[in-house]
Amino acid sequence: EDQVTQSPEALRLQEGESSSLNCSYTVSGLRGLFWYRQDPGKGPEFLFTLYSAGEEKEKERLKATLTKKESFLHITAPKPEDSATYLCAVQPYGQNFVFGPGTRLSVLP
Amino acid sequence: DVKVTQSSRYLVKRTGEKVFLECVQDMDHENMFWYRQDPGLGLRLIYFSYDVKMKEKGDIPEGYSVSREKKERFSLILESASTNQTSMYLCASRFQGNTEAFFGQGTRLTVV
Repeated sequence: EDQVTQSPEALRLQEGESSSLNCSYTVSGLRGLFWYRQDPGKGPEFLFTLYSAGEEKEKERLKATLTKKESFLHITAPKPEDSATYLCAVQPYGQNFVFGPGTRLSVLP
Repeated sequence: DVKVTQSSRYLVKRTGEKVFLECVQDMDHENMFWYRQDPGLGLRLIYFSYDVKMKEKGDIPEGYSVSREKKERFSLILESASTNQTSMYLCASRFQGNTEAFFGQGTRLTVV
């Protein structure tokens, strides 16, 4: 069965304190891995797509990386406005997205 | 900019009512999806559609139906609302294939 887990469940950082969020997956065949950001009471906002091991994508303070079993979302020098829930989703071959439970990030000023 | 628009941000309905949630996308996407999101359960797929007039059941279709008469519009119908359908409902769309999906702003439905 295709599965996605994310860790930690929640993370508190001080402003400027860099860290990483983990997304681990087991799928029969990976077509793509997607990162989203979700603010409370809103729909998920697309961040990155990764297709193959070794691929990296960057956007402002965020950098996503992919291996054969997991993806990391690295947050460099975070700011309070980076506080949100970060969702990871995988698309197995011939199937729809499988979403992880999310990591709730709080960045304190 | 891709836009996925859901007709309501907040809805309060009574048990037994028929409820319509509308979703419109402006990017000519073939695929459209309805999810519900509940604390501790994450995003769960209710129904999806690969093209106009096509629909497929997701993981939790019981108590729901859908309609896709036009490519840009995907409607979710709660035939007889129940309190256990109180949830955040999210619509998404994307191009066919392994591309990213774009979400609407969500509809917070409360059934009393």
